[in-house]
Amino acid sequence: DIQMTQSPSSVSASVGDRVTITCRASENINVWLAWYQQKPGKAPEVLIYAASDLQNGVPSRFSGSGSGTHFTLTITNVQPEDFATYYCQQSNSFPRTFGQGTKLEI
Amino acid sequence: EVQLVESGGGVVQPGGSLRLSCAASGFTFSSYDMNWVRQAPGKGLEWISYVSSSGTDIFYADSVRGRFTISRDNAKSSLYLQMNSLKAEDTALYYCARDDGWDGYWGQGTLVTVSS
Repeated sequence: DIQMTQSPSSVSASVGDRVTITCRASENINVWLAWYQQKPGKAPEVLIYAASDLQNGVPSRFSGSGSGTHFTLTITNVQPEDFATYYCQQSNSFPRTFGQGTKLEI
Repeated sequence: EVQLVESGGGVVQPGGSLRLSCAASGFTFSSYDMNWVRQAPGKGLEWISYVSSSGTDIFYADSVRGRFTISRDNAKSSLYLQMNSLKAEDTALYYCARDDGWDGYWGQGTLVTVSS
């Protein structure tokens, strides 16, 4: 199984900051990676798919990059509504696996 | 508008069974692969099962293989998860999600609690 390792597990930021979250795959997954945002009591929502493609309706302050085994999610100019938990997920092979999550806190 | 609505959750004793349903609308259900993903209280996301659009290809996580069965009825635009031999560690919020190559749309989840 492909292991997905996210770092950090939590990050503190202020409104207007730039935040970067990293996800590493235990083997090559090409660009088969998505990033999700989950707010308390809500279902996850996809932000980025295919490593760097922005889902329709997602603000452009979110961006993704990477390929192979190393991926990043960057949030520039963090807004109050961005405080949430973020997950990466590989869809290169089954079982699909998620990272353990990164909580973005004030 | 794409909608996914899960149902069938509840409280069940260890060793018991439940059948979850996911009603889909707003898209051509028969054209899309589907997934079940769960989240234990206060924990992260865990993918548990996939079914292809035709129902011919199915995959499971090791944690549920042999106990859970995914199925779909394209005529009814519905996805199912039959859960048998339930364990305390199966307690979670269960989501269905449309597979766009990633989980593009999610339902709001249905809660399963396994407890004596």
